[in-house]
Amino acid sequence: GESVGLHLPTLSVQEGDNSIINCAYSNSASDYFIWYKQESGKGPQFIIDIRSNMDKRQGQRVTVLLNKTVKHLSLQIAATQPGDSAVYFCAEHIYNFNKFYFGSGTKLNVKP
Amino acid sequence: ETGVTQTPRHLVMGMTNKKSLKCEQHLGHNAMYWYKQSAKKPLELMFVYNFKEQTENNSVPSRFSPECPNSSHLFLHLHTLQPEDSALYLCASSQGQGTDTQYFGPGTRLTVL
Repeated sequence: GESVGLHLPTLSVQEGDNSIINCAYSNSASDYFIWYKQESGKGPQFIIDIRSNMDKRQGQRVTVLLNKTVKHLSLQIAATQPGDSAVYFCAEHIYNFNKFYFGSGTKLNVKP
Repeated sequence: ETGVTQTPRHLVMGMTNKKSLKCEQHLGHNAMYWYKQSAKKPLELMFVYNFKEQTENNSVPSRFSPECPNSSHLFLHLHTLQPEDSALYLCASSQGQGTDTQYFGPGTRLTVL
């Protein structure tokens, strides 16, 4: 299968700090990417997306950066809050297969 | 709430039981999906339906049988499951197949004894 992975399985940050969660992808035909947040006992929740013709996209307190040269995707969360504690995973849409492939996730722990 | 509901939220069944998982979406979407989520593993796509027609079966064992009576409802019928089938089963929907964002339900936590 396709490789969509996260560099850090667990990330601990202090409340108020910025968080950066990384994702590596392997397919140059990937044309669309999504970050999901999954809280304990809940289904994945859409956070932000980015198409391959963009390098950066900003939302409310979140920014996604796409580096196609090294096939790297990151999610930046500004002023991290306890409510941000969850597992975050990326999904890539591979144009050739017209399917999404998901990463295994990074657990974000926010310390008060 | 994402507009995708799943019942039951938790299910414990023996290997000889037959049970069904239900998913309903209230978003007016045309595509629906079943995923399996095991601990520390990526989501595994199981089935895709688009306009009630199955468009993908990702080599899923026949002990899992999907049913999509209309664009709003999706079922997963389970029979003679194995303990390794214990997982969180997630339903998702999207406007269409392809790059349309998928919205997930809360999942059914399945335990097979």
